[in-house]
Amino acid sequence: KAGVTQTPRYLIKTRGQQVTLSCSPISGHRSVSWYQQTPGQGLQFLFEYFSETQRNKGNFPGRFSGRQFSNSRSEMNVSTLELGDSALYLCASSAWAGANPDEQYFGPGTRLTVT
Amino acid sequence: GDSVTQMEGPVTLSEEAFLTINCTYTATGYPSLFWYVQYPGEGLQLLLKATKADDKGSNKGFEATYRKETTSFHLEKGSVQVSDSAVYFCALSPDSGGGADGLTFGKGTHLIIQP
Repeated sequence: KAGVTQTPRYLIKTRGQQVTLSCSPISGHRSVSWYQQTPGQGLQFLFEYFSETQRNKGNFPGRFSGRQFSNSRSEMNVSTLELGDSALYLCASSAWAGANPDEQYFGPGTRLTVT
Repeated sequence: GDSVTQMEGPVTLSEEAFLTINCTYTATGYPSLFWYVQYPGEGLQLLLKATKADDKGSNKGFEATYRKETTSFHLEKGSVQVSDSAVYFCALSPDSGGGADGLTFGKGTHLIIQP
């Protein structure tokens, strides 16, 4: 069974640009959660999608948005990039919304660098 | 809100040394507690968990005990190996159930084991 796939793995963007990251969950999983990992703030919850609906959202500005498609693949978008958005963006998939962490599987992440 | 505090490191030890990584938390109710490990270039992997007071989670020689009286969940291993070199994250899930509000993570502890 293939694991969680995130594309691209590395990305370099310029301040003011926008970026879209993709996450393909494990086959059969319908929930995707996104996290931002930075050296200063650590790992922070961005949002969770289940059945194409956003269930929960963390404390991030509106520049951060996401969506989920009918095949459960999810994208997150960051508009008007700032230097502070440089981070490793992790997604995690689970079969159900609000699944216990031992039922949640993380992808390898997308490393975004904003210059 | 909920928070997790852990020693940030880097923590450098010699092979076969005893390891302790401290983790304390602040949360209302009765959260579940977790330790994750992140190897270089990889996503997070759940290492162990404990869901109620006095529970001991263990895996791969690592263990941690949920201490409600001291709000702590310290990670220990009796004899570390070079292959244990990684970043370790302490995390909690609120008592509202599973990942409903996303996990709250500590900032991570970089562990370096020297041969």
